[in-house]
Amino acid sequence: DTGVSQDPRHKITKRGQNVTFRCDPISEHNRLYWYRQTLGQGPEFLTYFQNEAQLEKSRLLSDRFSAERPKGSFSTLEIQRTEQGDSAMYLCASSLSAGPTDTQYFGPGTRLTVL
Amino acid sequence: AQTVTQSQPEMSVQEAETVTLSCTYDTSESDYYLFWYKQPPSRQMILVIRQEAYKQQNATENRFSVNFQKAAKSFSLKISDSQLGDAAMYFCAYRSAREGDMRFGAGTRLTVKP
Repeated sequence: DTGVSQDPRHKITKRGQNVTFRCDPISEHNRLYWYRQTLGQGPEFLTYFQNEAQLEKSRLLSDRFSAERPKGSFSTLEIQRTEQGDSAMYLCASSLSAGPTDTQYFGPGTRLTVL
Repeated sequence: AQTVTQSQPEMSVQEAETVTLSCTYDTSESDYYLFWYKQPPSRQMILVIRQEAYKQQNATENRFSVNFQKAAKSFSLKISDSQLGDAAMYFCAYRSAREGDMRFGAGTRLTVKP
């Protein structure tokens, strides 16, 4: 088990461009979460999947954001028409919804800088 | 809406000493889970300890223990015998038993002095 992985680790883009991030969860985990973390703050929830179904979305997830988990394994988060305010660390986490605590394990994150 | 408050933006501790990080939360639910995560500089978030709200016994993991006061909605983390490797941002987090998302506090930056 190699843990949660994210790609790329860093992304620099110009305002108005589209970007896509990928997350590979721990292999047996059926739940996958996306969070956004700005400097000096705790992570903020964006959305989560159970298998391929997107179960919950935050109001933070504007129409420019879309997430998919087509086969219930890896997930992608796309941001269209990026804005400077989108600059943040995007964290992915996964969990196995079998136990009572459903503990989430985090990946290293993708740091997005929008110029 | 549930909120998590960490009132100490920064804390420092001498190596080998004990430090307590504070966390309070607001919820109307009775069934939930609480977590402390550690985020070292430029490294990923790591689970330190977790507590189920229905358990009265405080969770303990080696040098880390919590003081869970359900009525007061308080969940503090005690680090004993602090080590240089404990230096990091510490985040308190809440998750309802009914929902998947976690709510995080703003974090406490812990410095360990040699």
